[in-house]
Amino acid sequence: GDSVTQMEGPVTLSEEAFLTINCTYTATGYPSLFWYVQYPGEGLQLLLKATKADDKGSNKGFEATYRKETTSFHLEKGSVQVSDSAVYFCALSPYNTDKLIFGTGTRLQVFP
Amino acid sequence: DAGVTQSPTHLIKTRGQHVTLRCSPISGHKSVSWYQQVLGQGPQFIFQYYEKEERGRGNFPDRFSARQFPNYSSELNVNALLLGDSALYLCASRLVGNNEQFFGPGTRLTVL
Repeated sequence: GDSVTQMEGPVTLSEEAFLTINCTYTATGYPSLFWYVQYPGEGLQLLLKATKADDKGSNKGFEATYRKETTSFHLEKGSVQVSDSAVYFCALSPYNTDKLIFGTGTRLQVFP
Repeated sequence: DAGVTQSPTHLIKTRGQHVTLRCSPISGHKSVSWYQQVLGQGPQFIFQYYEKEERGRGNFPDRFSARQFPNYSSELNVNALLLGDSALYLCASRLVGNNEQFFGPGTRLTVL
């Protein structure tokens, strides 16, 4: 079945460091891909999305490119801030469904 | 505009009891989905409802049921609670024609 695999955390970085969180997926057809963020004590917030191959989603300095050839959707940010500390979830939605399939989440901790 | 709202915020039940969780979608959103997030894991899809009909169901036992009302709000019911049902239950709504799902803050259920 469809699934999402993302790198285990925690990822610990100093402020202004470069961030990469790896995400790969297994799916039939052409899913849509998402990154969600969960700040402490809060619900999930959509960070960015891509709906077809080679699409780049971007928001708040974060970027991810839908790579069908490598079935990946890695999250990147050039310079992280302490306020980026949160848990990041990669997710896919199979074509023509509302269902979201999430990875296990990656905790990011940014220190000043 | 108000986001997705859920009630109650927290709930403590004992094994064998029944629980009802409530969700109000964003105004204009007719699709509602429910997810279970166990501590340290990604959310797992439980149900999706659209126009008061079940449109998708995840791999959960029949103890879990849901319904959607004419105003598009939704209830999730869980019977015969088990310790393993302790989790954060998230509701998400979506605008028809848009694949972005917006999540509520969740209901934290603790089963003792």
